[in-house]
Amino acid sequence: DAKTTQPNSMESNEEEPVHLPCNHSTISGTDYIHWYRQLPSQGPEYVIHGLTSNVNNRMASLAIAEDRKSSTLILHRATLRDAAVYYCILTYGGSQGNLIFGKGTKLSVKP
Amino acid sequence: DVKVTQSSRYLVKRTGEKVFLECVQDMDHENMFWYRQDPGLGLRLIYFSYDVKMKEKGDIPEGYSVSREKKERFSLILESASTNQTSMYLCASRKGANEKLLFGSGTQLSVL
Repeated sequence: DAKTTQPNSMESNEEEPVHLPCNHSTISGTDYIHWYRQLPSQGPEYVIHGLTSNVNNRMASLAIAEDRKSSTLILHRATLRDAAVYYCILTYGGSQGNLIFGKGTKLSVKP
Repeated sequence: DVKVTQSSRYLVKRTGEKVFLECVQDMDHENMFWYRQDPGLGLRLIYFSYDVKMKEKGDIPEGYSVSREKKERFSLILESASTNQTSMYLCASRKGANEKLLFGSGTQLSVL
């Protein structure tokens, strides 16, 4: 199973951009890269996902390296409500494969 | 709003009891998942189902079973609850492979 590696924790200041890295050196050609986040006392929520090209939505941007062995979730202006654990996971393209979550990155946002 | 609903937010059971955790989704999703989450261990996959009556073991299936008789409902069963099954249980569903997962709010199960 393809695994991901993320830093255990990161800190950011409010209203500044945040770049959350993820390494997935064993990714296969059909694996999609998904990001989820979990706020305290809640279930995880979807943030963004992509295959090869960079992706943008109202919550964040996803930058995928050309060799796809790493990716970065970008929060353009961190708010206090963005403080959460962020998970980077891979889904197996074209199959009904399971989804393996790592321990994620705990993001703290300082006012 | 589309959603994944877990039947109980908090549940307290005795050791040896048979426990049913229910999960219902109203989005006609094919795939459904059960995870447990423990401090310091992240989310671990117990079982998943990619269609009605189909099930696959995840990383930690021991002590658990599942049932998916209807597309919208995925049940997690603890045949004989033990204290080491005290945990937060999270259900999730998705339309298909590579679609986004939608999670329920979770059930905090305490086994005494």
